[in-house]
Amino acid sequence: EPEVTQTPSHQVTQMGQEVILRCVPISNHLYFYWYRQILGQKVEFLVSFYNNEISEKSEIFDDQFSVERPDGSNFTLKIRSTKLEDSAMYFCASTSRFYNEQFFGPGTRLTVL
Amino acid sequence: EDKVVQSPLSLVVHEGDTVTLNCSYEVTNFRSLLWYKQEKKAPTFLFMLTSSGIEKKSGRLSSILDKKELFSILNITATQTGDSAIYLCAVYNAGNMLTFGGGTRLMVKP
Repeated sequence: EPEVTQTPSHQVTQMGQEVILRCVPISNHLYFYWYRQILGQKVEFLVSFYNNEISEKSEIFDDQFSVERPDGSNFTLKIRSTKLEDSAMYFCASTSRFYNEQFFGPGTRLTVL
Repeated sequence: EDKVVQSPLSLVVHEGDTVTLNCSYEVTNFRSLLWYKQEKKAPTFLFMLTSSGIEKKSGRLSSILDKKELFSILNITATQTGDSAIYLCAVYNAGNMLTFGGGTRLMVKP
């Protein structure tokens, strides 16, 4: 069964460093998302991506964040200068159609020291 | 601001019990409501509900939506220890993004 994959599973970084989180969505899906979940809190929407551009973004997704689909399979989230409060689980999701069920990857736990 | 509220926050039951989890929402331009199960990491999809009053069923799990009263319930009958998880409710608004509730943590004891 096709699934969304994410790498790495855990990333530890120093405050101020850049990180890139990687996702491979399900191959025939067209809509891609990043969410984050701070420990003990709700899953929060960050950004959605369709047709090689951002379609929606939340207030969390400020200038420190960027997304890219560098080739036909990968979908990346870059945080330019990490802050302590960026520590969270980051989930990638994808779906084939608008307003359809989203399939989530296993997540990347980001720890900023 | 869109809001999704789940209750109870947590629930402890014994195997064989039936549980009802609640989700209420206030969302601009509601499109659909989804239920997910989160065990260790990734939320896994359970149901998507778009129309009021039509029950969705999968094995021991079922769910229904009331668009007039703005809520949904998720029922699990004959619970098993493998049902222990956090159950998440999420809602699509016009923007094609999911707004999640805080989840209900269910623990099923043997």
